[in-house]
Amino acid sequence: EAQVTQNPRYLITVTGKKLTVTCSQNMNHEYMSWYRQDPGLGLRQIYYSMNVEVTDKGDVPEGYKVSRKEKRNFPLILESPSPNQTSLYFCASSKWGGTTNEKLFFGSGTQLSVL
Amino acid sequence: GNSVTQMEGPVTLSEEAFLTINCTYTATGYPSLFWYVQYPGEGLQLLLKATKADDKGSNKGFEATYRKETTSFHLEKGSVQVSDSAVYFCALSDRGNAGKSTFGDGTTLTVKP
Repeated sequence: EAQVTQNPRYLITVTGKKLTVTCSQNMNHEYMSWYRQDPGLGLRQIYYSMNVEVTDKGDVPEGYKVSRKEKRNFPLILESPSPNQTSLYFCASSKWGGTTNEKLFFGSGTQLSVL
Repeated sequence: GNSVTQMEGPVTLSEEAFLTINCTYTATGYPSLFWYVQYPGEGLQLLLKATKADDKGSNKGFEATYRKETTSFHLEKGSVQVSDSAVYFCALSDRGNAGKSTFGDGTTLTVKP
């Protein structure tokens, strides 16, 4: 079954404690992206990657890091989480043929609370 | 920069009512437009899309037409069902800004029997 898998589904942590949210897709997609969803603000793009070793900032990259060492995985790293990073996070992937017409496949989300 | 503006919610309708959710956009390039739907506790999934002016996207009884002259992509359905209750997001991808996508704030739809 084609899917994007995020882990964990829920995470409670404390300020300053480094954490990683994993994202994996089994569709051989070139493009992957991270979003955060906050009430009243919709989805905002954090980082995206158009292929292995190619990453770029979205609209809200501050406080986050990503890496793309393998095509299927795109982890989101919070080196020193702060309470304003409490949010619902989504990973997504799509084919990339040089256009932006392809639909995004989303994971089920990670609810992060930073105390 | 790019932006997407959706009508404010929440929207509450009775079953079989007509649905319109307005979406307008601002883009520097020539975007592709999408509607995504999010059911409770789940990730977003594509509902429909349109990639050029006057294209109509349709799926599951929902429709939206890419109107370049009014920079709009309004979502419509003739007769909603309780199962359509969800959050709906309008989104765009700008070919001139490859890789970046912009979403609206989402509109929560509740359909009552």
